[in-house]
Amino acid sequence: DVKVTQSSRYLVKRTGEKVFLECVQDMDHENMFWYRQDPGLGLRLIYFSYDVKMKEKGDIPEGYSVSREKKERFSLILESASTNQTSMYLCASSLSTFVGGRHYGYTFGSGTRLTVV
Amino acid sequence: KQEVTQIPAALSVPEGENLVLNCSFTDSAIYNLQWFRQDPGKGLTSLLLIQSSQREQTSGRLNASLDKSSGRSTLYIAASQPGDSATYLCAVYTSYDKVIFGPGTSLSVIP
Repeated sequence: DVKVTQSSRYLVKRTGEKVFLECVQDMDHENMFWYRQDPGLGLRLIYFSYDVKMKEKGDIPEGYSVSREKKERFSLILESASTNQTSMYLCASSLSTFVGGRHYGYTFGSGTRLTVV
Repeated sequence: KQEVTQIPAALSVPEGENLVLNCSFTDSAIYNLQWFRQDPGKGLTSLLLIQSSQREQTSGRLNASLDKSSGRSTLYIAASQPGDSATYLCAVYTSYDKVIFGPGTSLSVIP
């Protein structure tokens, strides 16, 4: 089974801190994604990456940046954390190709609950 | 623009009931559709993915169907159990790597 591992389940950070959220997948997936999930707003795409060194803005990239130096690792960076970035952050990965004629969709990590105080 | 809705937003049933969760989408030109389960405070767990060429998928007590022409998918849960209590989200793929998530249905199965 594909595993997507997010390094922290819970984080508490102070306003203005630089915050790193790490995501690692172990099945050689090309695509990786960062979402945030908030009550009443659902999942919103922050950034995604199709390959090493590549990154694309999602729907709500403001206040965030990402890094993908290795294929298996995709980091989300909050340059200066603010209270409105308190949220559940979800990382996902997927293959960019079909395997045996099948598309396997997204695999998600277990999430990081970030609280900014 | 593709929009995905799920009705009802919340559902409470007694243990043992069979139930159906609904997912609707506005543009029938979808790629695939995936159903996920999310427990409180946790990530999304994939339940079933229906390929574009398929009409349904089954896994244990779960059966998901897809009717692209009518813009609907249903997730059928047989003989519900308290452990089925969770939020269920459908995800509509507009291409192999672009997905729109529904808002979810919160299911509570009462012992």
